[in-house]
Amino acid sequence: DAGVTQSPTHLIKTRGQQVTLRCSPKSGHDTVSWYQQALGQGPQFIFQYYEEEERQRGNFPDRFSGHQFPNYSSELNVNALLLGDSALYLCASSLDHLHEQFFGPGTRLTVL
Amino acid sequence: AQSVTQLDSQVPVFEEAPVELRCNYSSSVSVYLFWYVQYPNQGLQLLLKYLSGSTLVKGINGFEAEFNKSQTSFHLRKPSVHISDTAEYFCAVSDPNYGGSQGNLIFGKGTKLSVKP
Repeated sequence: DAGVTQSPTHLIKTRGQQVTLRCSPKSGHDTVSWYQQALGQGPQFIFQYYEEEERQRGNFPDRFSGHQFPNYSSELNVNALLLGDSALYLCASSLDHLHEQFFGPGTRLTVL
Repeated sequence: AQSVTQLDSQVPVFEEAPVELRCNYSSSVSVYLFWYVQYPNQGLQLLLKYLSGSTLVKGINGFEAEFNKSQTSFHLRKPSVHISDTAEYFCAVSDPNYGGSQGNLIFGKGTKLSVKP
């Protein structure tokens, strides 16, 4: 059983560009959450998708947006990249919003 | 708003010694509590969680944690560590009253455990 997968593993962008990160949840999971982990910090909650709707959102600007597809996979989009957006982006999936989250290996985004 | 404080950023310890990683959270209302481990260049793995019931929670790899509501603490312990326990450990909290979920986890800044031979 494949766990949570994320692509790409690494990404380098320049300021002002846009980026899309992808996540496939663990088999049978319908809820996907995204977190940003800056260097030396704990992960910070960005948002959670359930039944293709954004269900909860953390304290992130509108430049961060997402989408969940009918197969429960998800994308995280970040527009107008800033240097401070450089981080490890973690995706987590769960069997609905009431249950334990399982994390993927993350996508390392570097903004130059 | 909830917050989580991990009191030690780094904990060095010798192999086979006991270890305690400390975690305090801000709110006295009911919460769900978690400990995750992160190995280099990997995602997070759940060690254990407290949702309700017994205040002593046992997890994987010989770790356990004790929920103390009066002190708003959830310290992680292991009686004898191995070299392979070297990793970063994160304490997290979620508010079950916020949509009744284990989502929207609020993490501490992490504690780097370094086990020396």
